[in-house]
Amino acid sequence: AQKVTQAQTEISVVEKEDVTLDCVYETRDTTYYLFWYKQPPSGELVFLIRRNSFDEQNEISGRYSWNFQKSTSSFNFTITASQVVDSAVYFCALGHYTGGFKTIFGAGTRLFVKA
Amino acid sequence: EAQVTQNPRYLITVTGKKLTVTCSQNMNHEYMSWYRQDPGLGLRQIYYSMNVEVTDKGDVPEGYKVSRKEKRNFPLILESPSPNQTSLYFCASSERGGVNTEAFFGQGTRLTVV
Repeated sequence: AQKVTQAQTEISVVEKEDVTLDCVYETRDTTYYLFWYKQPPSGELVFLIRRNSFDEQNEISGRYSWNFQKSTSSFNFTITASQVVDSAVYFCALGHYTGGFKTIFGAGTRLFVKA
Repeated sequence: EAQVTQNPRYLITVTGKKLTVTCSQNMNHEYMSWYRQDPGLGLRQIYYSMNVEVTDKGDVPEGYKVSRKEKRNFPLILESPSPNQTSLYFCASSERGGVNTEAFFGQGTRLTVV
């Protein structure tokens, strides 16, 4: 069965701190896709990154970085020097093909960044 | 502007009264999907469509129907809504499911069934 676990329900940090959001997934597929989405207080969902299972390279985009480790089935997300605007709910998701393409989301991690 | 449009944004209805939430995208995307978001559960996929006239169940399809008669539209139909369908609903589209690099979401529809 496919599953995504975001064990951290809520995290609170002070501005400029670094913070890592954990994501652990379960799948028996060899081909799959991992995603991170951001949901700010306004409610919309914003795509952040997509990774396929054959690409374990870490990625950095500005203050955001992602660490994909197949050995531990993890796809963790780090925000460096956090800002108040980073306050949001962050979702990790796993996509895979079963005839069609299905996506399983984690429960989300709510990040509070205090000034 | 590339966008996914859902209507209505907010809806309060009574148990058993059929309703439709519309979803339209202007990006010529093949793949569209419906999710519901509930506290502590994240988003759960209801139905998805790989292309016109091709739809399939997600993880929580009970009580919902969809249709994909044309590429741009993917309405979600609740034939007989019940209070456990009170939720925040999102429609999404992308070029080809997981193969593309970005998924676009609508702004959400907050549904309350009393």
